[in-house]
Amino acid sequence: KQEVTQIPAALSVPEGENLVLNCSFTDSAIYNLQWFRQDPGKGLTSLLLIQSSQREQTSGRLNASLDKSSGRSTLYIAASQPGDSATYLCAVPGYSSASKIIFGSGTRLSIRP
Amino acid sequence: NAGVTQTPKFRVLKTGQSMTLLCAQDMNHEYMYWYRQDPGMGLRLIHYSVGEGTTAKGEVPDGYNVSRLKKQNFLLGLESAAPSQTSVYFCASSYPGGAGELFFGEGSRLTVL
Repeated sequence: KQEVTQIPAALSVPEGENLVLNCSFTDSAIYNLQWFRQDPGKGLTSLLLIQSSQREQTSGRLNASLDKSSGRSTLYIAASQPGDSATYLCAVPGYSSASKIIFGSGTRLSIRP
Repeated sequence: NAGVTQTPKFRVLKTGQSMTLLCAQDMNHEYMYWYRQDPGMGLRLIHYSVGEGTTAKGEVPDGYNVSRLKKQNFLLGLESAAPSQTSVYFCASSYPGGAGELFFGEGSRLTVL
């Protein structure tokens, strides 16, 4: 059974710092891994989608990496801003049941001005 | 560009009442999902559909029913609401195969008294 873990559950850093959020998964047979952002009271917004054949994806100040063999993904945020404050979640569908996408519990990020 | 739309956004029910949540997507996606999100529990899959006329159970299907009569719509029903079903419900859709990007609605907040 696929399990997805995100540590830490919460993170607070001063504005301008570069930071890394972690996501680990137990079953390396995945189609892809997706990172989402969720603002309070809102739905989830897709940030980056990494296919299983890729090592990383970049969008603006965000860079996501994927290491299937170790069951890990990281989301790197460069030059953090207060507007980056949100909860970040990762999600993976498995090969055995690609329809069942499993989510981590998220990292709540706070950027201090 | 509506994407995924959920109605209603808020609802208060009394124990034993029934209701239906509607999810509509305009991206011609095959796959649709219903999740619930609870504090400390993360996102849990209730039911999903891989195409018009088909549905399947997720992690927490008890107390819910679904229907996918049209490709663009996915309905979630509560036949006899219970306080344990107080939650925020999210609908999502994607292209098939697990390789597609997942898109979410804004959520429906349900309170059962």
